[in-house]
This record gives sequence, structure tokens and C-alpha cells, in this order.
Amino acid sequence: GAGVSQSPSNKVTEKGKDVELRCDPISGHTALYWYRQSLGQGLEFLIYFQGNSAPDKSGLPSDRFSAERTGGSVSTLTIQRTQQEDSAVYLCASSPRDGRGNPYEQYFGPGTRLTVT
Amino acid sequence: KNQVEQSPQSLIILEGKNCTLQCNYTVSPFSNLRWYKQDTGRGPVSLTIMTFSENTKSNGRYTATLDADTKQSSLHITASQLSDSASYICVVSSGGYNKLIFGAGTRLAVHP
Repeated sequence: GAGVSQSPSNKVTEKGKDVELRCDPISGHTALYWYRQSLGQGLEFLIYFQGNSAPDKSGLPSDRFSAERTGGSVSTLTIQRTQQEDSAVYLCASSPRDGRGNPYEQYFGPGTRLTVT
Repeated sequence: KNQVEQSPQSLIILEGKNCTLQCNYTVSPFSNLRWYKQDTGRGPVSLTIMTFSENTKSNGRYTATLDADTKQSSLHITASQLSDSASYICVVSSGGYNKLIFGAGTRLAVHP
């Protein structure tokens, strides 16, 4: 079936503008993750959604970052008043947490490359 | 501090040759260790996942080893192909589905 998709693939924005990044997880996956990958750095955990539970927001770097997951499927990561240090690739991953398949496996989307000028 | 260190940062090998990538970690508690392959412009794709009790796991030409005592892992690639050119990322889970610590990756280039 279809994998995790993200849009847009690339986004260039001016400093101070707000941006929204979208993630469509694999159908039926109940867990969804957002990560940030800066140049030369390892992936950095941002936020985790699991079913109807309250999301784990412990990785969000500031209150300018927020994320929603509507209807247990599509997720949107919003960055307000973007700064140049927000420039990175933002990756989304989903995971089946219903016991089918490998519960540890995370399936990644292609990412959104954000450039703040 | 939980950390995952990978070496080398980058590596160039000729097609058909073997290579070994290293991963050292200080993550505690330890749940599992995984290796991902990330092609340029793509998301990471899982190669292997190993728990504490597993010493080695293979996936085709990729073989991962784990020494939980020394907190070291390696990824061995046999008979490299041009399509193996990618970044290889070592990831350690400290428990829980949302507690992954990522290494910075080794960038491998396979030349003809």
C-alpha cells in the first residue's frame, strides 16, 4: 500500500512567517511521530501521537512549534514566526501500534525541507 | 546524557568491496538498536532491529552485530553496490515507542 506522504516537499519562507507542514500516515497506523533533521545532525524527536491519547510534546523546541492530528490520521506541524535556525528537514513517521506487524517499526515519509531566509 | 556516536562520518569504497560501519552508544536504559538506510532526499528505511539478547541479525547483504556489554554495534555491508550509496543511521531506543536516540549517520559513497 501507500507509504507515508508529506507535503510540501520543499518550503522556502521568510523569517517571521508561519508555516504548516502536512503528514499523511500509512492507513491504519495509530502512532505518528514528527522529527527534525538538521544538516550534519541526527534526527531530533519533536512530538508523538498515539491514538486518542494526549500527545507527547516533550521534544518541541519552543512554543512557536505546535502540531495537531485530526481524526487520528493526518497531522499538521505548525511553526509560527519562523527563525533561520528552524531551517531543517522535517520528517514524519507512522507506526502500527495495534499488535499487527512489528510494533517497534517506524515508517518514514520523504520529509519537508524547510528553508527560512 | 544519552548519546549515539557513529564512525566514520563518511566513507568511500569501490563497488564490490565490503565495509563496516560503527556505532557506540551510552543510552540507558537500553531497549533495542536499529540501523536505518537513508537515501538522499528520502526518509530513513529500516534495515535491522535488535533487542538486548540478539548478537547479530542479517538482512540480505547487510549484517548488524550488537555487543550490549560494550555498548557497541556494527553494520557490515558485503559486496557493495552503487545503490548502497546512502547515509546509514544507528538508532537506540531507551524504552517506549517514542524514545529513540539517533546517531548523526555515516555517509557511504560506493564508486564504480
